[in-house]
Amino acid sequence: SAVISQKPSRDICQRGTSLTIQCQVDSQVTMMFWYRQQPGQSLTLIATANQGSEATYESGFVIDKFPISRPNLTFSTLTVSNMSPEDSSIYLCSVEGERLNTEAFFGQGTRLTVV
Amino acid sequence: AQKITQTQPGMFVQEKEAVTLDCTYDTSDPSYGLFWYKQPSSGEMIFLIYQGSYDQQNATEGRYSLNFQKARKSANLVISASQLGDSAMYFCAMRADGYALNFGKGTSLLVTP
Repeated sequence: SAVISQKPSRDICQRGTSLTIQCQVDSQVTMMFWYRQQPGQSLTLIATANQGSEATYESGFVIDKFPISRPNLTFSTLTVSNMSPEDSSIYLCSVEGERLNTEAFFGQGTRLTVV
Repeated sequence: AQKITQTQPGMFVQEKEAVTLDCTYDTSDPSYGLFWYKQPSSGEMIFLIYQGSYDQQNATEGRYSLNFQKARKSANLVISASQLGDSAMYFCAMRADGYALNFGKGTSLLVTP
């Protein structure tokens, strides 16, 4: 299975500030995915990040609010910008496993609280 | 459009008993994959089992098995011999026309002694 290191694991931030979440994978992967899980809810896809191209955002998510970088095949960052209490969520990165299309693994998640 | 439905917000099971968590799905894509994840209170997502739409046999992984009924579009997770550590949220997910997963709302499972 892919080993994904996601940092930070949790943070408490002031409204109006930004937080960058890092996701490091122990193998090269084509696509990385970022999800948001609001309190008591399911996971919602924010965007798909491919190396060497702009991330593809889902409806309701915009690049100005959630800029994503994908500098190489093992690393990605998600920034939550100009935070408000409504951004308090768990943010998770995800990648395919070695058995393409039959496995999908997640980082440990970043539990964000905005005060 | 894809849709995943989990109709059981919460389930209880006694330790050592088996439990079935329901999942139905809807997609027009003939090729798709179905996944189950466990999310303990720590928040991490733990991959449990996968079933492909063309797989002839139901998937099994240790105490987990997937009861796949393609005609009914259901993919229920069966946990045998429940353990206290199985208490968690369980999410059913599907991948069809892309590589990202589409998740159901989840089922909270509580295993009692």
